[in-house]
Amino acid sequence: GAGVSQSPSNKVTEKGKDVELRCDPISGHTALYWYRQSLGQGLEFLIYFQGNSAPDKSGLPSDRFSAERTGGSVSTLTIQRTQQEDSAVYLCASSLVGGAKTGELFFGEGSRLTVL
Amino acid sequence: DQQVKQNSPSLSVQEGRISILNCDYTNSMFDYFLWYKKYPAEGPTFLISISSIKDKNEDGRFTVFLNKSAKHLSLHIVPSQPGDSAVYFCAASKTGTASKLTFGTGTRLQVML
Repeated sequence: GAGVSQSPSNKVTEKGKDVELRCDPISGHTALYWYRQSLGQGLEFLIYFQGNSAPDKSGLPSDRFSAERTGGSVSTLTIQRTQQEDSAVYLCASSLVGGAKTGELFFGEGSRLTVL
Repeated sequence: DQQVKQNSPSLSVQEGRISILNCDYTNSMFDYFLWYKKYPAEGPTFLISISSIKDKNEDGRFTVFLNKSAKHLSLHIVPSQPGDSAVYFCAASKTGTASKLTFGTGTRLQVML
């Protein structure tokens, strides 16, 4: 597809379960970002990939959160032992080069996670 | 600690009039500022940006103003159109952490016919 693709679009899970969220960036984009938006909050930075490496993972809220990127393309965000406070919309974005100064972060539609 | 603040959660404007969306920041290390627009069930899309070396940047109907001394920026939309109805997010980044944007909580703009 032409844009950033995320799956699933909606995920309802029980507290304590693990979840995986997938992001397929725009072809050729070397930089990939994960953000999340909790209810009533702004977008919160989680992690940034340049190629397959993550030079900035400072936003991951706990060690239950991890992410990887393979082949310089698809990324997976994994949340282990989910908690209710993990409920949020998880947004993935990609850009041609790393660095927000390009301004052009292309976002996907997000994955809405609800932890019961 | 909210470093980028959008104190107005919502704004209503008549079609054809000016919309002014405001954003304040607390971190003096921010040197690049952006506005994103978000429609329901879609991801945010980049709208306009400004570097701290400038105080104004214009792109068609959209103009962003930066007042560094007040740590304040604003987005002006003239004339406002119904299709501008969306949530607008202000974002900021710091030199050296250009990969990370700090977002405000957003302002929902409704342009009425």
